[in-house]
Amino acid sequence: DSGVTQTPKHLITATGQRVTLRCSPRSGDLSVYWYQQSLDQGLQFLIQYYNGEERAKGNILERFSAQQFPDLHSELNLSSLELGDSALYFCASSVGGVKRGLTEAFFGQGTRLTVV
Amino acid sequence: GEDVEQSLFLSVREGDSSVINCTYTDSSSTYLYWYKQEPGAGLQLLTYIFSNMDMKQDQRLTVLLNKKDKHLSLRIADTQTGDSAIYFCAERDPGNKLVFGAGTILRVKS
Repeated sequence: DSGVTQTPKHLITATGQRVTLRCSPRSGDLSVYWYQQSLDQGLQFLIQYYNGEERAKGNILERFSAQQFPDLHSELNLSSLELGDSALYFCASSVGGVKRGLTEAFFGQGTRLTVV
Repeated sequence: GEDVEQSLFLSVREGDSSVINCTYTDSSSTYLYWYKQEPGAGLQLLTYIFSNMDMKQDQRLTVLLNKKDKHLSLRIADTQTGDSAIYFCAERDPGNKLVFGAGTILRVKS
């Protein structure tokens, strides 16, 4: 158990809908990262938050957004869903978020999103 | 930009050593990682190496880093069937995000 909790584990929804994925980082970790894993794209970095602020942005679509709350949990919102959004969405956390910070990122079990 | 490449598949016999290779492009990477993903599971951090190190050993795992060639390898000694999984190499870029390779499927035959 990595200590990173993601809910729900599985989600099936229809095209055009909106879903929210939730992540609770390990106790004491300030940084949260979101990744998308699909068969054709592999593991793609979406976005990173550090202590409530957006720190880095990757290949995140405009239909997707995220935030990190004062209690450090994070949510990834996916809207106007398309079939191609079906993937495994991972959250990871680490203590640091700055260049001098600690390095290990621990991953949650992921949320498997299926868009039908 | 950053790019991490790995061979896609490796098959070994139980008890043999496995060597999974990875190349990366970003010479400013500070840390390099190996993650393991079992079917239906998340990514488990196996080990990492700081860019000023050449080697790191952790029980059955040995990581070798050739910074000049930007080549990273993971050696698993005495490979077991439970080691069958996908292994991801990742580099940490100066912006602090992890850039992953496509993963190497390790199949261990008994």
